[in-house]
Amino acid sequence: DAGVTQSPTHLIKTRGQQVTLRCSPKSGHDTVSWYQQALGQGPQFIFQYYEEEERQRGNFPDRFSGHQFPNYSSELNVNALLLGDSALYLCASSWASSSEKLFFGSGTQLSVL
Amino acid sequence: EDKVVQSPLSLVVHEGDTVTLNCSYEVTNFRSLLWYKQEKKAPTFLFMLTSSGIEKKSGRLSSILDKKELFSILNITATQTGDSAIYLCAVAPIRETSGSRLTFGEGTQLTVNP
Repeated sequence: DAGVTQSPTHLIKTRGQQVTLRCSPKSGHDTVSWYQQALGQGPQFIFQYYEEEERQRGNFPDRFSGHQFPNYSSELNVNALLLGDSALYLCASSWASSSEKLFFGSGTQLSVL
Repeated sequence: EDKVVQSPLSLVVHEGDTVTLNCSYEVTNFRSLLWYKQEKKAPTFLFMLTSSGIEKKSGRLSSILDKKELFSILNITATQTGDSAIYLCAVAPIRETSGSRLTFGEGTQLTVNP
């Protein structure tokens, strides 16, 4: 049973560039959430997708956007990268949008230079 | 705004010791509290505690929830080097709209030395 998979594992970008991160949820899960984890901090909620729509959003600027596809996989896009966007980006999946029991992927480590 | 505070932020113990990790929270319309273990990158689920289940146990790990005092503890007995990790506490609120989101604490970095 494949768990949550994310790609790429590591990424280096420069300020002002754009980045796309990808996530495939655990088999049977239909909801995907994205979290940002800065070094030494706990994960912070970015947004959640269910039925191809953004259902909830955390306190992140519009530079952060996402998408969910019919097969439940998801993308996180970040435009106009800032140094402060350097972090581990975690994707989590769950069954049904109301389920708080999340299964996490190993994340994408983004470094912005 | 929901808030989770964990203590201590770091802890170093010897194998065989018992540790207690603390988590206090503030959340509007509490739904559940969750504990995760983060060894390298992916947090892995440990426990979920709700109003109907305020104590959980799995092997050497156990957790209780005090809804009145708004805190939870995670106990690990007979610690092993494999318990070394960051332990994250999170809360989930009941929301009127669909969707669930977790608010995490900073985590407790546990190091178990042989």
